[in-house]
Amino acid sequence: IAGITQAPTSQILAAGRRMTLRCTQDMRHNAMYWYRQDLGLGLRLIHYSNTAGTTGKGEVPDGYSVSRANTDDFPLTLASAVPSQTSVYFCASSDSGTSRLSTDTQYFGPGTRLTVL
Amino acid sequence: GENVEQHPSTLSVQEGDSAVIKCTYSDSASNYFPWYKQELGKRPQLIIDIRSNVGEKKDQRIAVTLNKTAKHFSLHITETQPEDSAVYFCAATGGNQFYFGTGTSLTVIP
Repeated sequence: IAGITQAPTSQILAAGRRMTLRCTQDMRHNAMYWYRQDLGLGLRLIHYSNTAGTTGKGEVPDGYSVSRANTDDFPLTLASAVPSQTSVYFCASSDSGTSRLSTDTQYFGPGTRLTVL
Repeated sequence: GENVEQHPSTLSVQEGDSAVIKCTYSDSASNYFPWYKQELGKRPQLIIDIRSNVGEKKDQRIAVTLNKTAKHFSLHITETQPEDSAVYFCAATGGNQFYFGTGTSLTVIP
């Protein structure tokens, strides 16, 4: 069992280029999230998805888009990268919901270090 | 939305001493408060959590306390060891969206 994986591990990207960060989980969690982590600012939510087919905006959504075609995958796309999007990106998932078995605990992927020049 | 503040931003303790990290939150609807530990270059990992129906929870050397009236919760690490050195994040949520504190860099001096 892999848990939650992200690709690529790191990437250097020219400004203006399009980039998709991949995230896959095999825990059958209904909810998935994308965060960016910047020094001194902690983890900030970009987008989230409560279940396949639905997405929502987090705290810092501008410049990013997501899709959730199935339970396992939650890609994050930068349509036209800018230097301010240089950051470490973490994907997370959780078994959130009304079931008594839901824990809400978020499990994080290993992260993608993105540098936009 | 929720606002989570975390203090201190850096903390140094001697090995064997205790460390305390405090967080405050603003939304009284928040009901789940996890703590994550992040070692350099690695992913955040859950170390302990507490729900709003509980005032204190302990797991070996770590404990978390929650004061719902004052809207603050704290992480306590006793008998600190060098491997406790990391960045610790608190978070609060009343639904799916987690709101994280800005982190505390803990250094345990041997």
